[in-house]
Amino acid sequence: QVQLVQSGAEVKKPGASVKVSCKTSGYTFTTYGISWVRQAPGQGLEWMGWISASNGNTKYAQKLQGRVSVTTDTSTTTAYMELRSLRSDDTAVYYCARTTISGVLSHWGQGTLVTVSS
Amino acid sequence: DIVMTQSPDSLAVSLGERATINCKSSQSVLNSSNNKNYLAWYQQKPGQPPKLLIFWASTREPGVPDRFSGSGSGTDFTLTISSLQAEDVAVYYCQQYYSTSLWTFGQGTKVEIK
Repeated sequence: QVQLVQSGAEVKKPGASVKVSCKTSGYTFTTYGISWVRQAPGQGLEWMGWISASNGNTKYAQKLQGRVSVTTDTSTTTAYMELRSLRSDDTAVYYCARTTISGVLSHWGQGTLVTVSS
Repeated sequence: DIVMTQSPDSLAVSLGERATINCKSSQSVLNSSNNKNYLAWYQQKPGQPPKLLIFWASTREPGVPDRFSGSGSGTDFTLTISSLQAEDVAVYYCQQYYSTSLWTFGQGTKVEIK
C-alpha cells in the first residue's frame, strides 16, 4: 500500500532552517510528484510547493519563494522540504503528499510539527 | 492567484440528514480542451492528515462512501453528504489544481452533528 512517512517534530529558533523528510513506499516513485502543504495551529491548509519526482521540476508558492526548497532522492524514494530564515509564523504542521501529474494530492504523510520559538 | 471561497464556514446537521458545502473559485477552473474541472475535495478529521474524497469535481476516490458526491462546473462547486454519519464530523476543503503555477485551498468548512 502507498505510504509516506515523515521525519519527527522539530523545534527551531528564529532565523534557523529546517529540513523535513518524506520517505515513500508502495508505488513507483517517479510516476508521481510530491507536494508540501502546511497547516498553522487551528488554521487551514496552505500549499507550499511541488516537485516532479521524474525530472525534478519544481514550483513554489510565491509568498515562500526564495525561502523554500523541495528536493527528491530517487535512490531512496525520499522527498525533502527545506525552509530557511524561519519565523514564528512558520510554526505549523508540515505535510507531504503524493501528487498526480494534474495536481491531485492522493496520499498524505502523517505530518511533522515544526515549532519556531526563541 | 485563484482564490477559493467556501461557504458556510461551519454547519451543524442532524444524523441522517443532508450536508451541503459550497466552494466558489475566483476564476473558472474548467479546462475547455478536455472539459474537466480541476477541483478536488478533502476531508480532515481532528489530529489526522487530509484525505482525498473527490477529484475532477465529481469523481469519487475509490473506497469513499457513495454518500459523498461532488457537483458543479466553472466557478461554483458543491460537496454533498447525502446522509450524515457520526464519522463524517470533520473539516472539508476544496482545492483547485487548474493554475499551472499555484494550487490553492478553500478556507475549510467544519461539519458537526446537531
